[in-house]
Amino acid sequence: GNSVTQMEGPVTLSEEAFLTINCTYTATGYPSLFWYVQYPGEGLQLLLKATKADDKGSNKGFEATYRKETTSFHLEKGSVQVSDSAVYFCALSDPNTGRRALTFGSGTRLQVQP
Amino acid sequence: DSGVTQTPKHLITATGQRVTLRCSPRSGDLSVYWYQQSLDQGLQFLIQYYNGEERAKGNILERFSAQQFPDLHSELNLSSLELGDSALYFCASSADTSSYEQYFGPGTRLTVT
Repeated sequence: GNSVTQMEGPVTLSEEAFLTINCTYTATGYPSLFWYVQYPGEGLQLLLKATKADDKGSNKGFEATYRKETTSFHLEKGSVQVSDSAVYFCALSDPNTGRRALTFGSGTRLQVQP
Repeated sequence: DSGVTQTPKHLITATGQRVTLRCSPRSGDLSVYWYQQSLDQGLQFLIQYYNGEERAKGNILERFSAQQFPDLHSELNLSSLELGDSALYFCASSADTSSYEQYFGPGTRLTVT
């Protein structure tokens, strides 16, 4: 079945540091890939997406590239801010299953210190 | 604000009871998904409805059921509640575009005592 593996957190960084959160996936076909962010006490917000190999999703300074050869979709940001502190979820949707439900990773908590 | 609304925000109830969670999708979205977020299981897909019909099932217990009404709002019914059902329940909606992106509501936090 489909699965998503994320690096364990928490990840603690100082403001303006470079961020990488690793995400790898297993899927039967060619899934769409997503990063969602959950701020404390809130629901999940779609951060970025990529629908085919070599696509780069980007939003609010965050980027992730769909790498089919390594089945990865790592999240990066060049300079984090305190306001980026949240839990980040990598997810996939596999059209080959006929199901559009999302399969999520376990989430990675990011803490940015001033 | 995603445009997806969920009520109530918090719910506290006793074991053995039954509760109903409500979700209104974004305007124009036909598909509604329910997810459960718990500390031990993470985020898990429960069930999907599309334009009033059940489309897909995930790890949904037999004690749980859902429906989507003609106005496209959806309800998740949880019965014979157990302590382990305590979790955050999210509703998400999508327009069923080719990219499958979903927009999440703020969630209902259920506490079973």
